[in-house]
Amino acid sequence: DIQMTQSPSSLSASVGDRVTITCRASQSISWYLNWYQQKPGEAPKLLIYAASNLQSGVPSRFSGSGSGTEFTLTINSLQPEDFATYFCQQSDETPVTFGQGTRLEIK
Amino acid sequence: QVTLKESGPALVKPTQTLTLTCKLSGFSLSTSGTRVSWIRQPPGKALEWLARIDWDDDKFYSPSLKTRLTISKDTPKNEVVLRMTKMDPVDTATYYCARMSAAGPYVWFDPWGQGTLVTVSS
Repeated sequence: DIQMTQSPSSLSASVGDRVTITCRASQSISWYLNWYQQKPGEAPKLLIYAASNLQSGVPSRFSGSGSGTEFTLTINSLQPEDFATYFCQQSDETPVTFGQGTRLEIK
Repeated sequence: QVTLKESGPALVKPTQTLTLTCKLSGFSLSTSGTRVSWIRQPPGKALEWLARIDWDDDKFYSPSLKTRLTISKDTPKNEVVLRMTKMDPVDTATYYCARMSAAGPYVWFDPWGQGTLVTVSS
């Protein structure tokens, strides 16, 4: 299975900050990388697909980049509703696998 | 509007078999390209993909759970069913079903159902 490792595991930031979350794959996955946001008690919500494509309806302050084994999710100008847990997921091979998550907390 | 909704028991005993149903709305299992997966999340932990079924009845399973899982579909009812045998307390989790959307070779999970919490305890 392809292992997905996110860093950091948790992150404290303030409203208005810019934050970056990194996801590394144990082998090259080209651009087969998706990002999800999950709030407590809710299902995950798709933010970014195919590494850098913003899902319809997702604010433009979210962006994704990377290819191969290293990917980043960037959130510009954090808003109160952005404090949540973020997961990356590879879809290059079955079984699809997820990162362990990055918890974004209010400083 | 595309939605999925999971249903099943909230509590199962160790060694029992869990049966979960995912009701699809706004899209059909009979449509070419439709794929539905089951994913679970133990409390406070990461997401784990379990199984997938396609419109043409192709089925895929997590290698680590393959011997315990069966995924099936009821096309007239527009439902996907997951069975997991030999339930253990470590299987306590919220179980989600999700549609797999695609653009060319790229696939992702969207949308997800609300999830159903299953607790395994005697």
